[in-house]
Amino acid sequence: GNSVTQMEGPVTLSEEAFLTINCTYTATGYPSLFWYVQYPGEGLQLLLKATKADDKGSNKGFEATYRKETTSFHLEKGSVQVSDSAVYFCACDNDYKLSFGAGTTVTVRA
Amino acid sequence: DGGITQSPKYLFRKEGQNVTLSCEQNLNHDAMYWYRQDPGQGLRLIYYSQIVNDFQKGDIAEGYSVSREKKESFPLTVTSAQKNPTAFYLCASSILGLHNEQFFGPGTRLTVL
Repeated sequence: GNSVTQMEGPVTLSEEAFLTINCTYTATGYPSLFWYVQYPGEGLQLLLKATKADDKGSNKGFEATYRKETTSFHLEKGSVQVSDSAVYFCACDNDYKLSFGAGTTVTVRA
Repeated sequence: DGGITQSPKYLFRKEGQNVTLSCEQNLNHDAMYWYRQDPGQGLRLIYYSQIVNDFQKGDIAEGYSVSREKKESFPLTVTSAQKNPTAFYLCASSILGLHNEQFFGPGTRLTVL
């Protein structure tokens, strides 16, 4: 089945720094791709998604582009804030289910 | 407000007892899912259901059971056969065929003493 591999953390940044979290997928066909965010003690929230090649998902200053040629969906934000501290999960569509990466913990220091 | 509710948020049980975690959604979604999350790890799928009265095992179903008698409800029972039940449990739902975008509940933290 389809699967994703994402960059391991933890990642620690200063406020206003640039954030990149790498995610690559293995799939037959063209799965939908997602980034979810989890704040401490909470469930997951959808951050952004892309459903076909070259689509760019964006939300709250975060962006990710569906790259078929490199089978990647890297998450980026140009200037992080303390409130962006969370765990980020990459996921891909897998036959009526989602396959999740292991998660990347991001901590932003003031 | 539409959404997914899980109750309770924290649950404590003694070893050897069965415990049932509640998950309810009012989004009119067909599919529902249960995941387990352990510290520093990703999500592992326990069970999922695409339609009422039908469900399938996920990757780590041993020691768990579910039912889907109503579209909006998908309770999970953690049985005494589950060797390491202490974890954070997440319920999710989705519209079938809509790219599998899943909506998550707030989670239940189960601690077995």
